[in-house]
Amino acid sequence: NAGVTQTPKFRILKIGQSMTLQCTQDMNHNYMYWYRQDPGMGLKLIYYSVGAGITDKGEVPNGYNVSRSTTEDFPLRLELAAPSQTSVYFCASSYDRVWGRGTEAFFGQGTRLTVV
Amino acid sequence: AQTVTQSQPEMSVQEAETVTLSCTYDTSESDYYLFWYKQPPSRQMILVIRQEAYKQQNATENRFSVNFQKAAKSFSLKISDSQLGDAAMYFCAYRSGKAAGNKLTFGGGTRVLVKP
Repeated sequence: NAGVTQTPKFRILKIGQSMTLQCTQDMNHNYMYWYRQDPGMGLKLIYYSVGAGITDKGEVPNGYNVSRSTTEDFPLRLELAAPSQTSVYFCASSYDRVWGRGTEAFFGQGTRLTVV
Repeated sequence: AQTVTQSQPEMSVQEAETVTLSCTYDTSESDYYLFWYKQPPSRQMILVIRQEAYKQQNATENRFSVNFQKAAKSFSLKISDSQLGDAAMYFCAYRSGKAAGNKLTFGGGTRVLVKP
């Protein structure tokens, strides 16, 4: 019963490098999300997806890209890493029922990213 | 846009005592959900309790209960009989009942310290 799995758990990037954070869920959830958590702060939404092939921006999308080719996977791409992207990144998923009363979000364990 | 405010950066409680965490939110919607998430040092986001706005009865989960005041837009969490394992960051979160994506808006968090 894996739930939401994120890889890697830790990563150090140099300024200007790129990387992809992987996220997979095995609960057949249709909704998936990427949040970032800066030190001492709450989580902020970067991007979300309501189904395969459909993505949309959240509150803080600049510097990131996403894709959703399957129900299970929702990778987050960082292009040209900057120190401001140093943060903990969380992937999450939830299920929206037919009548619109969705489930709560289930979170991965997070990726701590440091850009130096 | 909705906002969630947690005015207490840190709260300290003696083991076996009770502590109450405050959360206020701003919304013009009538259909929404509220959540409390716990984040221990492991970083995992754990759902503690949820409240549907259309329900007048306050939610309870074992030692955790909420005081939901819809008119005042207040959603406080009470932890009774505090245990050492309750030490963590606690985040209040809001979710619209109608907006696409079931996106969560988080407060800035309250750190709970439990003294033995």
